[in-house]
Amino acid sequence: QQQVKQSPQSLIVQKGGISIINCAYENTAFDYFPWYQQFPGKGPALLIAIRPDVSEKKEGRFTISFNKSAKQFSLHIMDSQPGDSATYFCAASMGGAGSYQLTFGKGTKLSVIP
Amino acid sequence: NAGVTQTPKFRILKIGQSMTLQCTQDMNHNYMYWYRQDPGMGLKLIYYSVGAGITDKGEVPNGYNVSRSTTEDFPLRLELAAPSQTSVYFCASGLSVNTIYFGEGSWLTVV
Repeated sequence: QQQVKQSPQSLIVQKGGISIINCAYENTAFDYFPWYQQFPGKGPALLIAIRPDVSEKKEGRFTISFNKSAKQFSLHIMDSQPGDSATYFCAASMGGAGSYQLTFGKGTKLSVIP
Repeated sequence: NAGVTQTPKFRILKIGQSMTLQCTQDMNHNYMYWYRQDPGMGLKLIYYSVGAGITDKGEVPNGYNVSRSTTEDFPLRLELAAPSQTSVYFCASGLSVNTIYFGEGSWLTVV
């Protein structure tokens, strides 16, 4: 099983601050890197995703930074809000190679305090 | 559209009992998945299907079975429940592996 390693396990950020969650992968065949957001009692939901042909993707306050040579990618949440408090999962897939599975990191529980 | 619907939401099972977690989606997705989520362990893939009549094992298939007789339904069967199967189970579906939609989860406790 190819791994995706995620850190930190938990994160506390003040309102208005920047939240940063990091992930690293091993398999260079991965070609799609999504982030999922999960609120308590709910299923995960796709938040933002990136392919390795770009180094950054931004959607509103959420940005993915991608470093292909280091095999790392990260999620940045700008101007973090209490409503962003959730568990975030990074993931990776190699759909282009005929794989049908997403490999998930273990998750980061983000708490944004007022 | 209802999306991905899982039933039951909560269930308590005794050791050795069997049960089926139901999952149905109304988005005409070919890809369907069952994950389990344990605290601090992320999401582990149990089984998946790429279309009706086609299923395959994921990372943690032992103690579970699935079937996919229709595009819409992907039930997960637990045989001879064990305490190690206490978990939250999520069904998901998608047009491809790159974008999958999760249900709201089924909380299972085996005592």
